[in-house]
Amino acid sequence: NAGVTQTPKFQVLKTGQSMTLQCAQDMNHNSMYWYRQDPGMGLRLIYYSASEGTTDKGEVPNGYNVSRLNKREFSLRLESAAPSQTSVYFCASSENSGWGLLNSPLHFGNGTRLTVT
Amino acid sequence: GQQVMQIPQYQHVQEGEDFTTYCNSSTTLSNIQWYKQRPGGHPVFLIQLVKSGEVKKQKRLTFQFGEAKKNSSLHITATQTTDVGTYFCAGPRDSSYKLIFGSGTRLLVRP
Repeated sequence: NAGVTQTPKFQVLKTGQSMTLQCAQDMNHNSMYWYRQDPGMGLRLIYYSASEGTTDKGEVPNGYNVSRLNKREFSLRLESAAPSQTSVYFCASSENSGWGLLNSPLHFGNGTRLTVT
Repeated sequence: GQQVMQIPQYQHVQEGEDFTTYCNSSTTLSNIQWYKQRPGGHPVFLIQLVKSGEVKKQKRLTFQFGEAKKNSSLHITATQTTDVGTYFCAGPRDSSYKLIFGSGTRLLVRP
């Protein structure tokens, strides 16, 4: 039981390049999330998917797109990377009960450390 | 919009001293969660509080949810070096699936 798996672990991009961060969970969770964490700061929500087939913007969605490919997988795409997107990216999943309210814990992956030069 | 603030931002204590971090929301929260992140690691869930005035304990950690459900605290009794890390509170925004994190309190413990 791997939990939440993120790939890659590290990535260096040049300004303007694109890439997709992959995330998969094997806990049969309904909700999935992408957060970014900058040095000395908290976690800021980029996008989330409350259930399979739905996605919604978080606090800092600009410059990113997401795809909930199926119940297991939730990818984050940077179309044209910028130095301001240098950060650690965490994917997370949560069981949730379907009542429209988050009421169960988030399980996080190990993160992807992205540097944009 | 809804904001979740944490204080202090940073605390350095001697091993054996107590530690408290406070979390304040600008709006009423349906529930609040606490996470711990070790240096270089990922956040790990500690506990969820749901009821007004709720108090929960995990060994040396005591969590409290305010009566108005707008604030919460985490108290660690007799800190140990294993308590080192950043502690985050988090609450659902607008009673949805959006989980918004506080800015975190970084705890360092001198042995």
